[in-house]
Amino acid sequence: TQLLEQSPQFLSIQEGENLTVYCNSSSVFSSLQWYRQEPGEGPVLLVTVVTGGEVKKLKRLTFQFGDARKDSSLHITAAQPGDTGLYLCAGAASGTYKYIFGTGTRLKVLA
Amino acid sequence: ETGVTQTPRHLVMGMTNKKSLKCEQHLGHNAMYWYKQSAKKPLELMFVYNFKEQTENNSVPSRFSPECPNSSHLFLHLHTLQPEDSALYLCASSQGVDSGRAVTGELFFGEGSRLTVL
Repeated sequence: TQLLEQSPQFLSIQEGENLTVYCNSSSVFSSLQWYRQEPGEGPVLLVTVVTGGEVKKLKRLTFQFGDARKDSSLHITAAQPGDTGLYLCAGAASGTYKYIFGTGTRLKVLA
Repeated sequence: ETGVTQTPRHLVMGMTNKKSLKCEQHLGHNAMYWYKQSAKKPLELMFVYNFKEQTENNSVPSRFSPECPNSSHLFLHLHTLQPEDSALYLCASSQGVDSGRAVTGELFFGEGSRLTVL
């Protein structure tokens, strides 16, 4: 069974601080995605990474896919209250469209 | 607006009731999914349909019965549920498989149906 463990589970920080969220697995994924979910809504895709070692930036968010394609990280610079939400990583094994989701990191950014 | 619409948004039912959740996507996708989201547990994949064919059933109890009449509509029929089935049920769609090759693209989610079983 493929499992994706995220850490930390909860994070409460002040506006302007930096943070990193981790997504780890013992399985290899052909692609890995990060989603953000806000209360009362479904998850919304932030980024997809497909190449080992790949780094993608989305404004203040930096995503990295591990060299072995088993792990990923999300780094937020100068967090803002609008970044508050549940961050989910999701992996798909090669040749499938079966996405497995991580345990989630609930982020709260205080003004 | 993600192009995936779920109804109803909220549902309260007794353990002996029969109800259905509906999902409709306007994105021209070929794959549709049901996920269950409970407190303190990861999103659980329940069912996957690709080109109207069920390709995944993640050991889901038979009291949940999916139906996919076409690639735009997906239902989840509920009967004799248990209180522990109370959760947010999310529908999603993706491009799916093309020419026998899986296309691992973005999942587009609906806003979910919040189910409470009394």
